[in-house]
Amino acid sequence: QLQLQESGPGLVKPSETLSLTCTVSGGSISSDSYYWGWIRQPPGKGLEWIGSIYYSGSTYYNPSLRSRVTISVDTSKNQFSLDLSSVTAADTAVYYCARHVMLRGVFDWFDPWGQGTLVTVSS
Amino acid sequence: QSALTQPASVSGSPGQSITISCTGTSSDIGIYNYVSWYQQHPGKAPKLMIYDVSNRPSGVSNRFSGSKSGNTASLIISGLQAEDEADYYCTSYRTGSTVVFGGGTELTVL
Repeated sequence: QLQLQESGPGLVKPSETLSLTCTVSGGSISSDSYYWGWIRQPPGKGLEWIGSIYYSGSTYYNPSLRSRVTISVDTSKNQFSLDLSSVTAADTAVYYCARHVMLRGVFDWFDPWGQGTLVTVSS
Repeated sequence: QSALTQPASVSGSPGQSITISCTGTSSDIGIYNYVSWYQQHPGKAPKLMIYDVSNRPSGVSNRFSGSKSGNTASLIISGLQAEDEADYYCTSYRTGSTVVFGGGTELTVL
């Protein structure tokens, strides 16, 4: 059974870079038809797609975050990572990683999801 | 990028049916059948309930169904149960290789 687990600091200072890693277990990150995505949810608010990566390194980002986001993959560790630079309080959120299905070159559903990790931006 | 539009809240009594709408544009829901729905209980990760407009993953109750007409997708829950009380989110592929979520709908079982 495929499982995903987020890890990283729970507190980041304003203007610094938020860095998280998602570890995939129970399956290979180097699978055809699957991208690997990051989604976030500010406290009490809705979900927002951040971006997704293929095991080859191909990436797609939310246009509203593109200038600050970098997603990378390490197939040897079965992990993918998120870097979000120049963070502010507005980036405080629960960050989820998830497997992102792509069919016929089009993004489709997210499943399964990690449990999520809360990252607070504060000095 | 603007989100898909969902009602903030809906409610229903046990045994009843409810519908949650998700309105997009001609750049997403209107031209693609890549709409999915997620259920989220408080403090938990979202769970996939419907994919590709109307398909149910294995293990999801057949009380959950989905449909689409024009720029609007819908999640229908029949035979409402207390355990269905949760937040529900829709998402769709949007032209330009992006993904958009709805703002979420809080379902209350009266």
